[in-house]
This record gives sequence, C-alpha cells and structure tokens, in this order.
Amino acid sequence: QSVLTQPPSVSAAPGQKVTMSCSGSSSNIGINHVSWYQQFPGKAPKLLIYDNTKRPSDIPDRFSGSKSGTSATLGITGLQTGDEADYYCGTWDTSLSEEVFGGGTKLTVL
Amino acid sequence: QVTLTESGPTVVKPTQTLTLTCTFSGFSLSTDGMGVGWIRQPPGKALEWLALIYWDDDQRYSPSLKRRLTIAKDSSKNQVVLTMTNVDPVDTGTYYCAHRSLFWFGAFVYWGQGILVTVSS
Repeated sequence: QSVLTQPPSVSAAPGQKVTMSCSGSSSNIGINHVSWYQQFPGKAPKLLIYDNTKRPSDIPDRFSGSKSGTSATLGITGLQTGDEADYYCGTWDTSLSEEVFGGGTKLTVL
Repeated sequence: QVTLTESGPTVVKPTQTLTLTCTFSGFSLSTDGMGVGWIRQPPGKALEWLALIYWDDDQRYSPSLKRRLTIAKDSSKNQVVLTMTNVDPVDTGTYYCAHRSLFWFGAFVYWGQGILVTVSS
C-alpha cells in the first residue's frame, strides 16, 4: 500500500481536460516538493512536473501541477490518445526518511 | 545531454547478492547538488524507491530494505553501484537508476531505460 494515494484510473475524451489527485500527509506533500512522472508501457518514467507546479522545458503547457495542503493534482488539457499512460506522483517523506510514490493512475483517452 | 544506463545480471538465484551498475554521462557526481537514485518496479506494480547517493557521499536508503542495500559511487568512472543481498523472488522487477538534482527540488530528472531482473532458482 502506497504512502501517497492516487486513483487507480481516470478517463476522458480526446480534447477534454482531466485531473488526477495525489493525497498524502503533513510529513510528505504537506511540507515537501511534489513531482509527477509519466510512464508508457515498457518504458522508463519521464519527469512531467517538479516543485509542485514547474514543467521541464520539453513538457508542453497542456500539463500542469498544483498543490494544496496535503494533496497535489496533475491536470492535462487538450487530451490526446498519445497521453494514455500511467502517471505517478512522488515526494520525500520527512517522517519516514524516504522517497515515496503513489500507486499510479492509469489514464485512458476514450 | 544526460544519459544513464543500468547494467548487471538479468537472472539471479534466491539468497544471492545482486549488483547493479548505473553508468551515466552529462553530469558529474562531484558537482554540488547532484545525486543518483535507484527505483524499482515489480511487474504490473508501482514505483518503489530504493536508495540515493549525493555528490557529498550522503547515502539514503529505503527503511524497509536498508539492511540489504548498499549504494556507492565512483565519480571518476561516472558510475553508481547498488548491491542488494539475499534476494528473493519478490525482488523481481525492473530496476531504474535516475539523476536527481537538488536544483530541481529533489525530482528524478532523467532516468535510465531500466533493467529487468528476475529472481528465480
């Protein structure tokens, strides 16, 4: 069971917007920076969002991150079939002294 | 351009010691703020963090696996080695090494392609 809680799956139609949540606690998301990773089947994860809201230069602005209290959210607008992947949130847990990841959310673009 | 490549055995017998090497380029582990981490992923399951080592040789381990893991760096060779003792079939999975930077607020910025390790007799 993951320290960070993500919904197992979300879905939306092409062109629409989707959000997915990542719920933690005061010892992880509440006080540390959240990252989001995209993973296609059989491939390595790729950094999408760091420091809660920032995007690496190669990530389109269709992807956005936010954080409030002990939860973080990844948003994707203008959904494309190529966005179908697993998405993981991650952060440091100060109490556990370890990096923690969510269980992952599978995005389906209908 | 930052690249990382994992290497090591793809099949290991139970109770043996697994040694994985991460060879990287495009950054130096002698530079302040740089780090390399290991993360694994059992088939069909989520990511699990294992260990981290920083430029100053600060080492961090997953508390649940700490007694079985050792991470070490050779900055001159641009390599990080992870050793896991007494492996079990539950250790089967894809093992990734990843570049971590404090300037990126602790994110794993670049990842290797991963190496699938199977623990089986």
